[in-house]
Amino acid sequence: EAQVTQNPRYLITVTGKKLTVTCSQNMNHEYMSWYRQDPGLGLRQIYYSMNVEVTDKGDVPEGYKVSRKEKRNFPLILESPSPNQTSLYFCASNGPGYNEQFFGPGTRLTVL
Amino acid sequence: AQSVTQPDIHITVSEGASLELRCNYSYGATPYLFWYVQSPGQGLQLLLKYFSGDTLVQGIKGFEAEFKRSQSSFNLRKPSVHWSDAAEYFCAVGAKDSNYQLIWGAGTKLIIKP
Repeated sequence: EAQVTQNPRYLITVTGKKLTVTCSQNMNHEYMSWYRQDPGLGLRQIYYSMNVEVTDKGDVPEGYKVSRKEKRNFPLILESPSPNQTSLYFCASNGPGYNEQFFGPGTRLTVL
Repeated sequence: AQSVTQPDIHITVSEGASLELRCNYSYGATPYLFWYVQSPGQGLQLLLKYFSGDTLVQGIKGFEAEFKRSQSSFNLRKPSVHWSDAAEYFCAVGAKDSNYQLIWGAGTKLIIKP
């Protein structure tokens, strides 16, 4: 089954404790991205990757890092989380062009 | 600046009634237009998209949308809603040569009255 998986689905942490949210897709997609979703703001893109070893900032990259060492994986790293990063995070992937973006189930992060 | 506006934060309709969700965009280039749906606790799923051609596009789950260039709109419609349509709906816009980035509206939450 074609899918995007994220782990963990829920995470509660404390300020300053480094964390990684994993994202993996099994569709051999080149394009992957991370979004955060906050009430009233829709989805805002954090980072995206056009292919392996090619990443670029989206609209709200501050406080986040990503890496793309393999085509299937695109982890999101918060080196020193802060409460304003409490949000719902989605990973997405799609093939060439403006084809359908496939979304993961989301990770709800709470930073205390 | 590029933007997508969904004017209605919430919409309540009765089951069986018709539905129209509004989406307006501001974009300099020829837009690629999308509607996605997010069911409670789920990720987003593509309902339909418009790239070119016929301005009335059909999607999944009985939804359709009409692109009106003169009004910079891409409104989503359904003739008769079902309780399972209760969800949040997002309009998104992209453009050629923009690295496939999408600009998203803030979403419209659809509530179905029995």
